[in-house]
Amino acid sequence: GQSLEQPSEVTAVEGAIVQINCTYQTSGFYGLSWYQQHDGGAPTFLSYNGLDGLEETGRFSSFLSRSDSYGYLLLQELQMKDSASYFCAVSYNTGGFKTIFGAGTRLFVKA
Amino acid sequence: GAVVSQHPSWVICKSGTSVKIECRSLDFQATTMFWYRQFPKQSLMLMATSNEGSKATYEQGVEKDKFLINHASLTLSTLTVTSAHPEDSSFYICSASRGTGEGTQYFGPGTRLLVL
Repeated sequence: GQSLEQPSEVTAVEGAIVQINCTYQTSGFYGLSWYQQHDGGAPTFLSYNGLDGLEETGRFSSFLSRSDSYGYLLLQELQMKDSASYFCAVSYNTGGFKTIFGAGTRLFVKA
Repeated sequence: GAVVSQHPSWVICKSGTSVKIECRSLDFQATTMFWYRQFPKQSLMLMATSNEGSKATYEQGVEKDKFLINHASLTLSTLTVTSAHPEDSSFYICSASRGTGEGTQYFGPGTRLLVL
């Protein structure tokens, strides 16, 4: 089956850097995505890794190691508005593309 | 670009009634649309994959006769919750992909359903 693991909660202070890890087990792996979701809202796309390495988008970066079935989301210069849930999601193809989501990591940014 | 809308944004209905939720890709053609359900404090659970012009593919445990999906065009997919019950109350979110689902998914704003 397919599964993902990520921490349930992370707390950090404004201006700091935080890393949210994600490990996965899947067959037919295609790519790893990260989404942000604020309370009451829908997920918004942050980043995607199809190949090993680091992808940088502004204050957010995402990393993937396919050999280790591992990725992370790095948030720099944390702001209060970054307090949200962050989901890693694996896209895979076993006769059709699908995406499954991790349980989510709740990030609390303190002043 | 890549905007996805959902209608209605929230709905309250009586137990036993049916509710239709629309998902539209406003500025691109969506070959594939996905329907998710999210309960409070939980992750998104994939319910079904919807491809234009063909039958939807349902995930294990999702009743296809209860959650009717129709992907009538490259910009519209609908989810109908038939004979809704209080346990169907949830946040229903659609996403759309230009391809067959391998690329970025663009999420709609979601529909909150409350069944009394």
